[in-house]
Amino acid sequence: DQQVKQNSPSLSVQEGRISILNCDYTNSMFDYFLWYKKYPAEGPTFLISISSIKDKNEDGRFTVFLNKSAKHLSLHIVPSQPGDSAVYFCAASVGTSYDKVIFGPGTSLSVIP
Amino acid sequence: GAVVSQHPSRVICKSGTSVKIECRSLDFQATTMFWYRQFPKKSLMLMATSNEGSKATYEQGVEKDKFLINHASLTLSTLTVTSAHPEDSSFYICSARRNTGELFFGEGSRLTVL
Repeated sequence: DQQVKQNSPSLSVQEGRISILNCDYTNSMFDYFLWYKKYPAEGPTFLISISSIKDKNEDGRFTVFLNKSAKHLSLHIVPSQPGDSAVYFCAASVGTSYDKVIFGPGTSLSVIP
Repeated sequence: GAVVSQHPSRVICKSGTSVKIECRSLDFQATTMFWYRQFPKKSLMLMATSNEGSKATYEQGVEKDKFLINHASLTLSTLTVTSAHPEDSSFYICSARRNTGELFFGEGSRLTVL
């Protein structure tokens, strides 16, 4: 059973517009959520995180929103740039010790110039 | 920033041989490292947790005799795929946990078993 779900395997967005990547989770014990970005043949790199005590965290063009009651989080990228084209993994853990971070299947984002 | 390096980045081997992949944390000591496997169009699946100086903890369904993990020092963990078969072909990624709790990932290793 997949504990972290990303139901859109791919997303295409025009440069300059907003990209919204969605993630749902089933385990109510998760209280720390992360987004990673991955280019082909490279390891994931950390993008942004949010603790369950918050509902929003912003870092430059990237904002993550958390709706605990719906067990849903989303990553907003605005404005989207061609260099943002990558696979984005949503991940979740219990606590910030990063033990057994569970990854979603990823969403491949293409930003069209 | 912290860097985690994996070697080799690509390896091709014959069926039945063993392959060793190294994961090194270059600028911090990592008591805990993690090994993942990524299937095409699938998520990163945690295979095992590698603890320095002790036995690795394997996830359910991962054969410990097939995927040998050794974490002999605070900066090095190795994954050895023993008696490799074509179905072991995959992208293997490691991560190292810094004492602040952050995870840093290696570049990944593409294994192709002929």
